[in-house]
Amino acid sequence: DAEITQSPRHKITETGRQVTLACHQTWNHNNMFWYRQDLGHGLRLIHYSYGVHDTNKGEVSDGYSVSRSNTEDLPLTLESAASSQTSVYFCASSESGTASTDTQYFGPGTRLTVL
Amino acid sequence: AQKITQTQPGMFVQEKEAVTLDCTYDTSDPSYGLFWYKQPSSGEMIFLIYQGSYDQQNATEGRYSLNFQKARKSANLVISASQLGDSAMYFCAMREGGNTPLVFGKGTRLSVIA
Repeated sequence: DAEITQSPRHKITETGRQVTLACHQTWNHNNMFWYRQDLGHGLRLIHYSYGVHDTNKGEVSDGYSVSRSNTEDLPLTLESAASSQTSVYFCASSESGTASTDTQYFGPGTRLTVL
Repeated sequence: AQKITQTQPGMFVQEKEAVTLDCTYDTSDPSYGLFWYKQPSSGEMIFLIYQGSYDQQNATEGRYSLNFQKARKSANLVISASQLGDSAMYFCAMREGGNTPLVFGKGTRLSVIA
């Protein structure tokens, strides 16, 4: 079955370190997204990609970067981790298209703690 | 300005009763889609139901239905015959126009009481 996976599921790191969160999907979806979830804020968009070599900034992109070298993967990098980036991170994917109907399917999430 | 508003941080419902979770949205785009997701305590995001702006009928999926009132810009989720397993966070989300990311509300925590 097609799926979307994230690794690691839990990560503890120190302030100032570079951290990369992996996202891999086997749906063959062109669209991939990264969100962070914090209490009281719901899910906020960090970065997204509509295809290989395409990346776009979301609402809360400062301090994060992504790159898309193939269809299956969109790794999220925290260049210099800060305590404010302690959060749960979700990756999602959807088919590309011009309609608004495409459902986003989510990975299981990564809980990141920055000490 | 907030595009998706969920005004109920928390709700309680008795088992087997119906419950309505509110969602209002703001857009000037005539083409948009509205989504509801469930997030149980285990943390995963589960897609529940979709409503398109041009859909003539309210969407239904099993015990879930969407009360879509376009003029009022509301897309409330109705869960019939609540079960203990329905206890979770519920998020309303919207996509405007074509290929754009979802924008989420802050969620409503539903607790089903036996």
